[in-house]
Amino acid sequence: EDQVTQSPEALRLQEGESSSLNCSYTVSGLRGLFWYRQDPGKGPEFLFTLYSAGEEKEKERLKATLTKKESFLHITAPKPEDSATYLCAVIRDKIIFGKGTRLHILP
Amino acid sequence: NAGVTQTPKFQVLKTGQSMTLQCAQDMNHNSMYWYRQDPGMGLRLIYYSASEGTTDKGEVPNGYNVSRLNKREFSLRLESAAPSQTSVYFCASNPEQGADYGYTFGSGTRLTVV
Repeated sequence: EDQVTQSPEALRLQEGESSSLNCSYTVSGLRGLFWYRQDPGKGPEFLFTLYSAGEEKEKERLKATLTKKESFLHITAPKPEDSATYLCAVIRDKIIFGKGTRLHILP
Repeated sequence: NAGVTQTPKFQVLKTGQSMTLQCAQDMNHNSMYWYRQDPGMGLRLIYYSASEGTTDKGEVPNGYNVSRLNKREFSLRLESAAPSQTSVYFCASNPEQGADYGYTFGSGTRLTVV
């Protein structure tokens, strides 16, 4: 059965404390992987698409990487405005979303 | 810069009532989607429309119907609401179904069925 698992479920960091979020998957025929950011009361906002193992993409303090079994979202020197839920989703014949990681950055 | 617009933002229904959730996009996208998001469950696909004039079931279609009114609009109907349909509903669109473009989501409709 296709599965997408995100860890940790929740993470609290001090401002400036770098860390990584994990998205592991067991999916056959993977075509790619999305990362989204979701703020409370809003819809998910697209961040990145990764297509192949070894690929990396960056946006401001965020860097997403992809291996054959998992993806990481690295957050460098985060700020309170980076607080949100981060969702990953794998792409095959359909999109399968993970349950997300709730990130809280303390000032 | 509207993107995907959903109405209403909030709704309370009594069990057995019906309602239609509206969604419109102004990006000339071909494909549109309805998801529900529940605590601890993640986003689950209810129905999608790959192009104007076509609709298909997703992962959790029971209790819902959809209409792709034109290229811009995709509505979701609950014929007889049940408490299990209490959720946050998101409409999304992308240029082509199956293509790996990031979806654009609306801001959601928070539905409570009592």
